Amino acid sequence: TQLLEQSPQFLSIQEGENLTVYCNSSSVFSSLQWYRQEPGEGPVLLVTVVTGGEVKKLKRLTFQFGDARKDSSLHITAAQPGDTGLYLCAGAQNAGNMLTFGGGTRLMVKP
Amino acid sequence: NAGVTQTPKFQVLKTGQSMTLQCAQDMNHEYMSWYRQDPGMGLRLIHYSVGAGITDQGEVPNGYNVSRSTTEDFPLRLLSAAPSQTSVYFCASRHRTRWGGGEKLFFGSGTQLSVL
Repeated sequence: TQLLEQSPQFLSIQEGENLTVYCNSSSVFSSLQWYRQEPGEGPVLLVTVVTGGEVKKLKRLTFQFGDARKDSSLHITAAQPGDTGLYLCAGAQNAGNMLTFGGGTRLMVKP
Repeated sequence: NAGVTQTPKFQVLKTGQSMTLQCAQDMNHEYMSWYRQDPGMGLRLIHYSVGAGITDQGEVPNGYNVSRSTTEDFPLRLLSAAPSQTSVYFCASRHRTRWGGGEKLFFGSGTQLSVL
């Protein structure tokens, strides 16, 4: 059982549609990060959220950290083919050295 | 800047063979780590280091050894490869050793390893 559960695992949508990816845990995190990974490359950081209830926007992407700091969501508005990739959430716990990753959501946006 | 450099990009081993995956970073980062990525499992931490001469185990350390003799290099050794170690391996580094919020992990481009 993973500490961070992502859903859905796979998502295939048409260009222009909206989507939401969820990252859930029973544990509290001091911060939570979202990464995007393209084939043959390592993950690249999109955003870090640190405060319960925090909302951050990155162009068409909106990230939210749950009030209890146990969950997060990523919402994409008007998805583009360039959004295609693997989205990973990752949580850090207070004063810890380890970053724990969720299983990932593989998104495909068709033109 | 080169960032985090991993070699080789691809490797095929036979069961029982040994090999070392290389990782080097040129950002003077204190923290370095190795992850393995398997379908549906995300990234799982194998070993990490908070500075030269200091290493510690992550979630899945069995079958792997590491050392950190310099700030720049953090090699991962497979002493006797097994088919269960077939995976994509990523090295990652960051500036600070403890998470305080806002730190960014820089990843290499990965090594795809197949053990037959």
